[in-house]
Amino acid sequence: SQELEQSPQSLIVQEGKNLTINCTSSKTLYGLYWYKQKYGEGLIFLMMLQKGGEEKSHEKITAKLDEKKQQSSLHITASQPSHAGIYLCGADTSARGSTLGRLYFGRGTQLTVWP
Amino acid sequence: NAGVTQTPKFRVLKTGQSMTLLCAQDMNHEYMYWYRQDPGMGLRLIHYSVGEGTTAKGEVPDGYNVSRLKKQNFLLGLESAAPSQTSVYFCASRFRLAGDTQYFGPGTRLTVL
Repeated sequence: SQELEQSPQSLIVQEGKNLTINCTSSKTLYGLYWYKQKYGEGLIFLMMLQKGGEEKSHEKITAKLDEKKQQSSLHITASQPSHAGIYLCGADTSARGSTLGRLYFGRGTQLTVWP
Repeated sequence: NAGVTQTPKFRVLKTGQSMTLLCAQDMNHEYMYWYRQDPGMGLRLIHYSVGEGTTAKGEVPDGYNVSRLKKQNFLLGLESAAPSQTSVYFCASRFRLAGDTQYFGPGTRLTVL
């Protein structure tokens, strides 16, 4: 079952513009992970959020987890061609202590940045 | 520290052929996973393992088998390949519990003709 909804499915922006990708769940998120994937390559871990209201930044990318821990956003400031790729959110929907440890993933957002 | 590695990177099979995909991790992780990625479908879990000698089914296990004889290796087997198994396969591992990052291998692109 698709437990994580990502939007938009694709995004085309001009270099220098800001953009936001959203990830929404119907269940409480005990951990929310953002990954980036370039075509033909594996998933590169970007950031992980656990606490409601938490916000993390790395270079020009900022990720937030809302207070209810059911929605996360990934914001890129002043986008560059190097930001292009597929962004995926993955989430733990089981509490710490679970023996399963699997992540559920959204379907991804394809980002294109044109110069 | 190589992280998670996968072999082979590419493979073309004919319908009915068999093959094994190898995943190896050098991070002493307990949990290992096999996913497949298809356009518009995202990542779907095939099988997973919570420790050496244990395996379990994920969302789409039919047509695949797995083995975890050593903690660092997780093998995915296709006994009789079908065109529907054309996909990109990713292996992943994480140390143990929720809150630990899951790390991915570079993927294996499999085409079944």
